Amino acid sequence: GQQLNQSPQSMFIQEGEDVSMNCTSSSIFNTWLWYKQDPGEGPVLLIALYKAGELTSNGRLTAQFGITRKDSFLNISASIPSDVGIYFCAGYLYNFNKFYFGSGTKLNVKP
Amino acid sequence: NAGVTQTPKFQVLKTGQSMTLQCAQDMNHEYMSWYRQDPGMGLRLIHYSVGAGITDQGEVPNGYNVSRSTTEDFPLRLLSAAPSQTSVYFCASSSLRTLDRADTQYFGPGTRLTVL
Repeated sequence: GQQLNQSPQSMFIQEGEDVSMNCTSSSIFNTWLWYKQDPGEGPVLLIALYKAGELTSNGRLTAQFGITRKDSFLNISASIPSDVGIYFCAGYLYNFNKFYFGSGTKLNVKP
Repeated sequence: NAGVTQTPKFQVLKTGQSMTLQCAQDMNHEYMSWYRQDPGMGLRLIHYSVGAGITDQGEVPNGYNVSRSTTEDFPLRLLSAAPSQTSVYFCASSSLRTLDRADTQYFGPGTRLTVL
């Protein structure tokens, strides 16, 4: 199957710091999605990207669809304790009708 | 508008037992899918469906069956449970409104399954 390489695997940061995480693939995707998952819950969509080069913000979150369509990044500015959780990237391939997920970035924020 | 609902929330099975995990969505989404989530493995696709009467295999389909008789429901059946199927199972749905993009994918709350 398609491989999405998500990094870093985990991060420990101080409240107020900015955070950056990314996903890369050897395949071209039609859509990139970023999710956050809290313990015991299902993933919740944060940002969806549909066009190469697209830069989209959702509050303190900003994500970009890479120009090559093989990568995406998510930035969180001025982190707060409630940002703690696992962040997943996902890519959608129209030809296969499938979503593929990265292995997640676990974010820890120290108050 | 309940979104994506899953039942049960928790389940314990003995090896060899069968059961059905239920999933329903009320958003008239064409696309529905089942994932399993294991520690450090992210989400892996089990089966998916692009519409009523159409199903296809994902990355890890062995030991699972699905059917899609209506747009709203997409049950996942474990035929003969094995300890390797201990996992958290998520159902998701999405709209495929145009030919070259997928609408956002919404997840249910999950079913936590333990097979002894």
